[in-house]
Amino acid sequence: GAVVSQHPSWVICKSGTSVKIECRSLDFQATTMFWYRQFPKQSLMLMATSNEGSKATYEQGVEKDKFLINHASLTLSTLTVTSAHPEDSSFYICSAGKGGNTIYFGEGSWLTVV
Amino acid sequence: QQQVKQSPQSLIVQKGGISIINCAYENTAFDYFPWYQQFPGKGPALLIAIRPDVSEKKEGRFTISFNKSAKQFSLHIMDSQPGDSATYFCAASFETSGSRLTFGEGTQLTVNP
Repeated sequence: GAVVSQHPSWVICKSGTSVKIECRSLDFQATTMFWYRQFPKQSLMLMATSNEGSKATYEQGVEKDKFLINHASLTLSTLTVTSAHPEDSSFYICSAGKGGNTIYFGEGSWLTVV
Repeated sequence: QQQVKQSPQSLIVQKGGISIINCAYENTAFDYFPWYQQFPGKGPALLIAIRPDVSEKKEGRFTISFNKSAKQFSLHIMDSQPGDSATYFCAASFETSGSRLTFGEGTQLTVNP
């Protein structure tokens, strides 16, 4: 079964609104989680590293005020897309390490901004 | 800077054939090389992984070959099946990065019946 769960699987929101995506590690604690964005037929692009109890580390070119990341507990990280626009429509995926280098990905969340 | 280069971009193989996907990396500090399989609309799933202290690792029909001096590694899928049709990503990371992966561009594999 899945060890990393994302919710919702898909969401449609209106332009200008905010939407939150949750990432949970189901049977292990993850001090670090990662958020990726993937466009159709492209590779995964790392957006940010989510650190439990501290600020997220964003990759170059990713707007931290637009993509808010909160890692409030050892099993939950959230990504909030603020003031969403159609160009933010994408597949968002989180990952978490279970120990060593073994990394598990969530099922992804489709965001469509209309 | 693309630190992990993957080829080919797409691959078509007949059922029962061998699928081969290649990756090359630049950062010699990488010490973990996983392959992920992704079906449309799903998150990537770990397929097999290797560390640079071994040259080959086999799990069922999947084999990773690793060439440290050439900074290259490849995935071989033996007896390819239509159910193997998916996008495959190679990746690399190093221990001090935690679970931070650098991905290749991906290969879309199609296995014809």
